[in-house]
Amino acid sequence: DIVMTQSPDSLAVSLGERATINCKSSQSVLYSSNNKNYLAWYQQKAGQPPKLLIYWASTRESGVPDRFSGSGSGTDFTLTISSLQAEDVAVYYCQQYYDTLPYTFGQGTKLEIK
Amino acid sequence: QVQLVESGGGVVQPGRSLRLSCAASGFIFTDYTIHWVRQAPRKGLEWVAVISYDGSNKYYADSVKGRFTISRDNSKNTLFLQMNSLSTEDTAVYYCARESPYYFDFWGQGTLVTVSS
Repeated sequence: DIVMTQSPDSLAVSLGERATINCKSSQSVLYSSNNKNYLAWYQQKAGQPPKLLIYWASTRESGVPDRFSGSGSGTDFTLTISSLQAEDVAVYYCQQYYDTLPYTFGQGTKLEIK
Repeated sequence: QVQLVESGGGVVQPGRSLRLSCAASGFIFTDYTIHWVRQAPRKGLEWVAVISYDGSNKYYADSVKGRFTISRDNSKNTLFLQMNSLSTEDTAVYYCARESPYYFDFWGQGTLVTVSS
């Protein structure tokens, strides 16, 4: 199984500041034949289901604010929120879909306001 | 609009069974592979099972293999999860999630399963 490890486990950032969450996979999730990274990011607010933010490591889902961006390749990925808003308080998960049996998620990163 | 509505959760004793449902609307159900993903209290996300658009392919996490069965009724736009031999470790919110493709683009609100004596 591909193990996904996020860092940090929790993060406190001031409003308007940048928030950065890292995700590392135990093996590459870059598929060489199409040069795509099989990685997604989800946001889960308290009491709500996860919501897709980013797929193919850097493609923003429709309707997601452009302050959210994804980057990285191979085994190391980053979710960046360029200017933190109060509504961004949530737990963020990365997920690999390169090796789909099983699909695996990171342990989550809790983002709070400082 | 796309909707996935889970139901069937509740409190059940260890060793007993429970059947979850996920009613889909707002999209062409037969076009999509659908998953179950669960989340134990104050824990992260764990993929549970997947079923292909026509029900011909089904796969399970090792933690539920042999105990859980995923199925779908495309005539009723509904997904099911039959859960047998439940243990306390199965206590979680169970979400159904649509695959589009590979990643999960839409999730239901979830249904809580509590296994307790």
